[in-house]
Amino acid sequence: DSGVTQTPKHLITATGQRVTLRCSPRSGDLSVYWYQQSLDQGLQFLIQYYNGEERAKGNILERFSAQQFPDLHSELNLSSLELGDSALYFCASSYGQESYNEQFFGPGTRLTVL
Amino acid sequence: AQKITQTQPGMFVQEKEAVTLDCTYDTSDQSYGLFWYKQPSSGEMIFLIYQGSYDEQNATEGRYSLNFQKARKSANLVISASQLGDSAMYFCAMSDPYSGAGSYQLTFGKGTKLSVIP
Repeated sequence: DSGVTQTPKHLITATGQRVTLRCSPRSGDLSVYWYQQSLDQGLQFLIQYYNGEERAKGNILERFSAQQFPDLHSELNLSSLELGDSALYFCASSYGQESYNEQFFGPGTRLTVL
Repeated sequence: AQKITQTQPGMFVQEKEAVTLDCTYDTSDQSYGLFWYKQPSSGEMIFLIYQGSYDEQNATEGRYSLNFQKARKSANLVISASQLGDSAMYFCAMSDPYSGAGSYQLTFGKGTKLSVIP
């Protein structure tokens, strides 16, 4: 158990819908990263927050947004969902944001868009 | 841009034998970190081992060791005394500095599927 929690574990929805994925980092970790894992794209970085502020953006679509709340939990919002958004979405946390900071991954949310 | 290459889509190893999973990387940065993660069929990502670019000694964690050859830009994972529970996908990743933000997201390779044969 990495100490990072993600809910829900599975999510099935229809095209055009909006969903929210939730992540609670390990106790004391200030950085939260979101990654998407799909069969065709592999594991890709989406966005990072550090202590409530957005710090880095990767291959995140404009239909996707995220935020980190004062209690450090984070939410990833996916809207106008398409079939291609079906993937495993991971949240990871680390204490800092240095190159040597290990990132500990949550169990992931498996999103299926029908 | 940083890039991670794992050239072995799949590997087989006999139980109790050692196995090496290859990883090469490309970066122009001097300071970076290299990580290996294990992903069993259940889907979770499990951190295995870390090597910093300035570390002179190869990292070891139990049965895992990282064969770091900086000049060749390789960071191979060695698993000794393989166990059936080692069957999984293994991902090599590099911390990727996000310019100007002091942030280090991970860039992943495509992974190697390891199967341990009894």
